Amino acid sequence: QKEVEQDPGPLSVPEGAIVSLNCTYSNSAFQYFMWYRQYSRKGPELLMYTYSSGNKEDGRFTAQVDKSSKYISLFIRDSQPSDSATYLCAMSAREWETSGSRLTFGEGTQLTVNP
Amino acid sequence: SQTIHQWPATLVQPVGSPLSLECTVEGTSNPNLYWYRQAAGRGLQLLFYSVGIGQISSEVPQNLSASRPQDRQFILSSKKLLLSDSGFYLCAWSPSATNEKLFFGSGTQLSVL
Repeated sequence: QKEVEQDPGPLSVPEGAIVSLNCTYSNSAFQYFMWYRQYSRKGPELLMYTYSSGNKEDGRFTAQVDKSSKYISLFIRDSQPSDSATYLCAMSAREWETSGSRLTFGEGTQLTVNP
Repeated sequence: SQTIHQWPATLVQPVGSPLSLECTVEGTSNPNLYWYRQAAGRGLQLLFYSVGIGQISSEVPQNLSASRPQDRQFILSSKKLLLSDSGFYLCAWSPSATNEKLFFGSGTQLSVL
């Protein structure tokens, strides 16, 4: 079983729709949760970063973390064609300094927003 | 501000040929550096990471190697490429060992034919 599960999609929605992207995980030690956005043939860019449980909002984007259910979500309101990309969740637990940062990524969900 | 440069953007190489991909970071010192591979339809696979000059940790035994000759330079190499080495290679950096945020380069699409 993978540590992080993410539905690869593809997900296709009309412009203006509310998009919900989700990941589940099995490692209860994870406490840092991120969402990355990756346009085709580009490197991923950090979109949202949260620590532990709760919600975080940034413009049209809201990240939710439910540690009790081991479930994280990214909501996109008023979706735009420019939101069309692959969205990857990532998470980590603290590790010893000499071992460096470690992130466990989901496989990514491909989203298309149709005008 | 910090920037990361990765080149080339696209590379087509024959089987058995050598490989050298380079990555440099500007605007920061002593970053942690990473090489990832992203195969079509699959997630990101961590290949190597480095916490300092000459310090390389390998995550996956394979045909590839990495070196860090300078503080902000990270190189991915192979002596003889295999077909299975094809993929999208990403360099990334993080500000410190305790910061989980990664910042990625633009990637290199490698096709081994």
